[in-house]
Amino acid sequence: EDQVTQSPEALRLQEGESSSLNCSYTVSGLRGLFWYRQDPGKGPEFLFTLYSAGEEKEKERLKATLTKKESFLHITAPKPEDSATYLCAVQPPQGGSEKLVFGKGTKLTVNP
Amino acid sequence: DTEVTQTPKHLVMGMTNKKSLKCEQHMGHRAMYWYKQKAKKPPELMFVYSYEKLSINESVPSRFSPECPNSSLLNLHLHALQPEDSALYLCASSLRVGAGLPYNEQFFGPGTRLTVL
Repeated sequence: EDQVTQSPEALRLQEGESSSLNCSYTVSGLRGLFWYRQDPGKGPEFLFTLYSAGEEKEKERLKATLTKKESFLHITAPKPEDSATYLCAVQPPQGGSEKLVFGKGTKLTVNP
Repeated sequence: DTEVTQTPKHLVMGMTNKKSLKCEQHMGHRAMYWYKQKAKKPPELMFVYSYEKLSINESVPSRFSPECPNSSLLNLHLHALQPEDSALYLCASSLRVGAGLPYNEQFFGPGTRLTVL
């Protein structure tokens, strides 16, 4: 069964303290890996798509990377407004392209 | 226009009520989705419409009835819900759908917070 595991479950950082979130997956030959940010009570906000090992994407203080078994979301010099739950989802190779397998998310809190 | 909109934002209903959730996108996307999300859990897929036809029903109880009137609109009709159906209901859309396609980003709406009394 395809699995996506995110770690840590929760992470507390001080403002300016850089760190990384991890998303490991057991899907072989995935067609895409997606990162979303979700604020409490709101829908997930799309951040990045990663498709092949070695690929990197950046947006402001966030940088996502992909290997054959995992993805990292690096947060450089975070600010309190970066506090949110970050979800990772993969698109398995089999079947249609509709079903995503989500991880349980990492809740990030950035203290001022 | 690069967003998915949902109405209402909040809904409180009794177990005997009938209500509907609405979703709209004007990005030309041909796949639309309903998800259910409980607190501290990831979204769970309920239904998928591709080219206005229901393509996936994840064994959702019949008290949830989806409808896709056209390529931009998606409804979820609710009837005789149970308190355990209280959750955040999310609509999403993606550009295309189909077997063998490469990556296919889904874009989510803000959600409807549903409370069943």
